[in-house]
Amino acid sequence: GQQVMQIPQYQHVQEGEDFTTYCNSSTTLSNIQWYKQRPGGHPVFLIQLVKSGEVKKQKRLTFQFGEAKKNSSLHITATQTTDVGTYFCAVHNFNKFYFGSGTKLNVKP
Amino acid sequence: NAGVTQTPKFQVLKTGQSMTLQCAQDMNHEYMSWYRQDPGMGLRLIHYSVGAGITDQGEVPNGYNVSRSTTEDFPLRLLSAAPSQTSVYFCASSWSGTSTDTQYFGPGTRLTVL
Repeated sequence: GQQVMQIPQYQHVQEGEDFTTYCNSSTTLSNIQWYKQRPGGHPVFLIQLVKSGEVKKQKRLTFQFGEAKKNSSLHITATQTTDVGTYFCAVHNFNKFYFGSGTKLNVKP
Repeated sequence: NAGVTQTPKFQVLKTGQSMTLQCAQDMNHEYMSWYRQDPGMGLRLIHYSVGAGITDQGEVPNGYNVSRSTTEDFPLRLLSAAPSQTSVYFCASSWSGTSTDTQYFGPGTRLTVL
């Protein structure tokens, strides 16, 4: 079954506003990955978090892994229309990858 | 490198028909997997393979078969298509399938079952 819960399901923002999506697990994770899927496209790997409390940045994107390694977040500062898409977190358990249900981001210009 | 390729891009089937979705990768990856993507449900794992000759079930395997006779190819067979199998199907591959591997996805096959 679903190993990780992701919220919100949808987010509509005005260009320039910030955006955050969250992933939560009931169990301690070894690591967590984040993927982005553009409309009509396929998921593309963004980043991986491994250490407790880890924070990584990619330009306007900030990824955090919780201290207990049970939750993670992706924050986009000052969204742009190029950020439109669905963002997924993914976790691993016994040879299987489990994806969150995704957060679909729409950015109004 | 072509990466992960999938054919066809689009397919319409009638209930009860069978078909095979093709997936190939040229990165010499050991781990390959199939997902289906439905609105609001993310990507759900159908079947996966950790190497040639080895396959196993994922979250939603019913109605689908797979085989892995070579490292490069991982076809997905629908035995008797049902409307509930209308979805977008993605094939993915990674080096060995460990938790830290990056997964590379194919472009997807959009399947409609009438």
